Amino acid sequence: GENVEQHPSTLSVQEGDSAVIKCTYSDSASNYFPWYKQELGKRPQLIIDIRSNVGEKKDQRIAVTLNKTAKHFSLHITETQPEDSAVYFCAASRGNAGNMLTFGGGTRLMVKP
Amino acid sequence: NAGVTQTPKFQVLKTGQSMTLQCAQDMNHNSMYWYRQDPGMGLRLIYYSASEGTTDKGEVPNGYNVSRLNKREFSLRLESAAPSQTSVYFCASSELGGMIQETQYFGPGTRLLVL
Repeated sequence: GENVEQHPSTLSVQEGDSAVIKCTYSDSASNYFPWYKQELGKRPQLIIDIRSNVGEKKDQRIAVTLNKTAKHFSLHITETQPEDSAVYFCAASRGNAGNMLTFGGGTRLMVKP
Repeated sequence: NAGVTQTPKFQVLKTGQSMTLQCAQDMNHNSMYWYRQDPGMGLRLIYYSASEGTTDKGEVPNGYNVSRLNKREFSLRLESAAPSQTSVYFCASSELGGMIQETQYFGPGTRLLVL
């Protein structure tokens, strides 16, 4: 089955700096890669996703890049703000029945004011 | 719309006890999911229901059973709870289901402690 590894497990940045979180996946058939944000004590919420026919996608301060050859994808957050502090999860799916997602272990991002 | 709701919010069980976690969604979604979240391990899929009337195993189904009661409700049952099932349980739903890759909407979670 699919295996998704996520690094780093914790990341501390100064407000205004950029943050990068990286994920690798094992199943070359995976073709959908969402990112979820989970604030402390809250539910995970989708912030951005990318499909395998696209190399990069941006939404304001957030961008995701995908390298299918190397089987890795990354989340980039620019001009970080304290409200960006949360746990971020990457995931991968091959589009099989049930839209099953395999999640990475999560990255705790702390943005210091 | 309330979205995805879960009950209870918190539960303490003794080893061997049984319980059912309830999940409901009011978005008319076809697919529903149950995940468990453990520190450092992300979310792992226990069972899912791609559409009303169907259920399938996910990554970690052992020790659990599910019921898709109707399109709105999807319950998770622990027949004989074990300390290894101490976790936070999230229910999720998605609109179209099947093989469509789309956003999953999560409930607020149930925190379960098995002593």
